[in-house]
Amino acid sequence: DQQVKQNSPSLSVQEGRISILNCDYTNSMFDYFLWYKKYPAEGPTFLISISSIKDKNEDGRFTVFLNKSAKHLSLHIVPSQPGDSAVYFCAGTDSGNTPLVFGKGTRLSVIA
Amino acid sequence: KAGVTQTPRYLIKTRGQQVTLSCSPISGHRSVSWYQQTPGQGLQFLFEYFSETQRNKGNFPGRFSGRQFSNSRSEMNVSTLELGDSALYLCASSFSGETEQYFGPGTRLTVT
Repeated sequence: DQQVKQNSPSLSVQEGRISILNCDYTNSMFDYFLWYKKYPAEGPTFLISISSIKDKNEDGRFTVFLNKSAKHLSLHIVPSQPGDSAVYFCAGTDSGNTPLVFGKGTRLSVIA
Repeated sequence: KAGVTQTPRYLIKTRGQQVTLSCSPISGHRSVSWYQQTPGQGLQFLFEYFSETQRNKGNFPGRFSGRQFSNSRSEMNVSTLELGDSALYLCASSFSGETEQYFGPGTRLTVT
């Protein structure tokens, strides 16, 4: 039972354009969501998060949108840079101390 | 401030053997979580330790176990290794289990 789904295993975008990574969840108890970025041979690093009381959170080039009714969130990267090429994981949690549940990841390739 | 460290970084074991992996969290962090990452499966939660007590456990067989020491360092053990245990094992720490966790670089375990 996959509670967090990232249906696109890979995405290729041109440098300077917008990258949109999508994530769906099924657990209606989830009230906090995070995006992590992972480079090869490194551990995931925290990128941005959003609480279910918001529908948008922005940090520089990164914006996360949350649509609670659709149980869907997306990460927008504008403008995309070659250094953004990595695997992006979406994760959700019931912030009452339950473990993070991760999606399978989306590999983003930003082409110069 | 030093990050999360994991040792060893790479390990090759034979089916049936056992293995112990080590994780040193960021100084001051008391929560340590372990995850298994396999190709196409994302990060799957193994267990979380806080103040030397297992606080959460994922859906893994009893061959997977862990512990945490008084200095917050943690070890995980896998007994009777199977080929399917080949994976990247990631450790993450936080002050007290907050959702934003800091990951180590992982230990790549290969079972032959």
